Amino acid sequence: DIQMTQLPSTLSASVGDRVTITCRASESISSWLAWYQQKPGKAPKLLIYMASRLQSGVPSRFSGSGSGAEFTLTVNGLQPDDFAVYYCQQYDRYPRTFGQGTKVEFK
Amino acid sequence: QVQLVESGGDLVKPGGSLRLSCGASGFIFSDYYMSWIRQAPGKGLEWISYISSSGYVINYADSVRGRFTISRDSAKNSLYLQMNSLGVEDTAIYYCARGGVAGDYFFDYWGPGTLVTVSS
Repeated sequence: DIQMTQLPSTLSASVGDRVTITCRASESISSWLAWYQQKPGKAPKLLIYMASRLQSGVPSRFSGSGSGAEFTLTVNGLQPDDFAVYYCQQYDRYPRTFGQGTKVEFK
Repeated sequence: QVQLVESGGDLVKPGGSLRLSCGASGFIFSDYYMSWIRQAPGKGLEWISYISSSGYVINYADSVRGRFTISRDSAKNSLYLQMNSLGVEDTAIYYCARGGVAGDYFFDYWGPGTLVTVSS
């Protein structure tokens, strides 16, 4: 199975900050990577697919980059609604696997 | 708008069985791959199974293969997960999620989830 590792596990930030989350795959997955946001008690929400393509309706302050085995999710100008847990997911091969999550919390 | 709603979650004893359902609306259900993804309490996400749009191609995670069976009924716009030989490790929120029209890639819509608790 492809292992997905996210760094950091927890990130303390303030409104207006620029935050970056890293996701590393145990082998190359080309650009077959998605990012999700999950709030407490809610289902995950797709933010980014194909490593850098913004899902319809997602604010442009979210962006993704990377290819191969290293990827980043960046939020430019963190908003109160952005405090949540973020997951990466590879869809290069089965089983589909997710990172362990990064919690973005108030500093 | 696209809606997915799971049902069937319950408290069940170890070794028991349960059938989850997911009702879909707002899109052409028969065009899309569908998946089940679960999340143990306080833990991360685990993909467990997908079924192709036709229903002919199916795949499972090793953790559930041989115990769980995914199926779909396009006439009823519904996805199902039959879960047998349940263990405490199967305790989780179970989400149905929509994949793509050409494959099970990323998941653009998710249901709110249904809670399965396996406990004696």
